[in-house]
Amino acid sequence: QKEVEQDPGPLSVPEGAIVSLNCTYSNSAFQYFMWYRQYSRKGPELLMYTYSSGNKEDGRFTAQVDKSSKYISLFIRDSQPSDSATYLCAILETSGSRLTFGEGTQLTVNP
Amino acid sequence: NAGVMQNPRHLVRRRGQEARLRCSPMKGHSHVYWYRQLPEEGLKFMVYLQKENIIDESGMPKERFSAEFPKEGPSILRIQQVVRGDSAAYFCASSPASNQNQPQHFGDGTRLSIL
Repeated sequence: QKEVEQDPGPLSVPEGAIVSLNCTYSNSAFQYFMWYRQYSRKGPELLMYTYSSGNKEDGRFTAQVDKSSKYISLFIRDSQPSDSATYLCAILETSGSRLTFGEGTQLTVNP
Repeated sequence: NAGVMQNPRHLVRRRGQEARLRCSPMKGHSHVYWYRQLPEEGLKFMVYLQKENIIDESGMPKERFSAEFPKEGPSILRIQQVVRGDSAAYFCASSPASNQNQPQHFGDGTRLSIL
């Protein structure tokens, strides 16, 4: 079983839609959660970072963490064509420094 | 540009040659991490270094791969006697410190192709 599971998609939505991206994890030692966005031929760009259960909002993006279910989500409101990219969840252990990534979900927002 | 700088962006090698990938961390960052992204796979941790020290190399293959982060200059990931399976994108990340309040920031990677 992978430590972090993420549906690779691809996911295609119309402009303006609400997008929901999800990851599950198996290791209870994971305590810090990040979402990265990766455009084609580029490096991952940090979008959201959180460590507690609940919601964290930043503009059109909301990160949600449910530690009891080991489930994390990223919501994108009013999606734009410029949001088309691969979205990666990444998780950090309490005592560690290495990030464990999901496989990434490829998102296309159609104008 | 104050971001993580990696070079070269693209590197082509023939089987059996050596590949050297360079990473300059963000200004003020003293912690460097290397990750590998194979085709159709997610990013996988390889090694974590501080200046002049390897802290965690548990994700790095035991043979042919080595990494360093000297007191002066960039971090280097070296792959000796490359094989076709080494073809991948190699990403470097840096952080100012190794704790959970300091997320890792990534460069744009080096894409290694083995002929």
